[in-house]
Amino acid sequence: AQSVTQLGSHVSVSEGALVLLRCNYSSSVPPYLFWYVQYPNQGLQLLLKYTSAATLVKGINGFEAEFKKSETSFHLTKPSAHMSDAAEYFCAVKNQAGTALIFGKGTTLSVSS
Amino acid sequence: NAGVTQTPKFQVLKTGQSMTLQCAQDMNHNSMYWYRQDPGMGLRLIYYSASEGTTDKGEVPNGYNVSRLNKREFSLRLESAAPSQTSVYFCASSGHESKGSEAFFGQGTRLTVV
Repeated sequence: AQSVTQLGSHVSVSEGALVLLRCNYSSSVPPYLFWYVQYPNQGLQLLLKYTSAATLVKGINGFEAEFKKSETSFHLTKPSAHMSDAAEYFCAVKNQAGTALIFGKGTTLSVSS
Repeated sequence: NAGVTQTPKFQVLKTGQSMTLQCAQDMNHNSMYWYRQDPGMGLRLIYYSASEGTTDKGEVPNGYNVSRLNKREFSLRLESAAPSQTSVYFCASSGHESKGSEAFFGQGTRLTVV
């Protein structure tokens, strides 16, 4: 069965520092992977998705993620954190039937000045 | 363009009361979902509907029922609310023309059962 594991429930960085949020997946078929962001008291917004077209995926707000099959990983990065990046981030994988998203437990990103 | 609209945004229920959470999407999507979000648990799928007229259980369906009223609307019903159902509920929709299609989320319903 498909699943995702997000390493680290809370990550803290300084403004201008590299952001690295980790996601590992388990899938019996080629995976479709997603990163979502949730700002306080809001719904989830898609940051980027991997659908096998390219291993390095660029998303909104300067985020990108690299699909590494050998490591079963899909880590999210941003070269320089901004205060506005403070939010909760979720990694997700499509289930085997392709009918629903399975989410990780989330990582809260804090950015300090 | 409204996207996915959920009502109500907030609700307080007493144990044993019933209520229906409403969801509508205007993107002509085939698939719709109900998730619940609890601290430290991420989002867990309650029910989903791959097309009008079909519904399937997700990871945590107990205590809930759903109705896919038409292509636009997908409601979630709590027949007898319990404190364990205190949560934030999200409705989402996606086109399932391909497995790579993403889900679009509503703003959520914050439900407290006392």
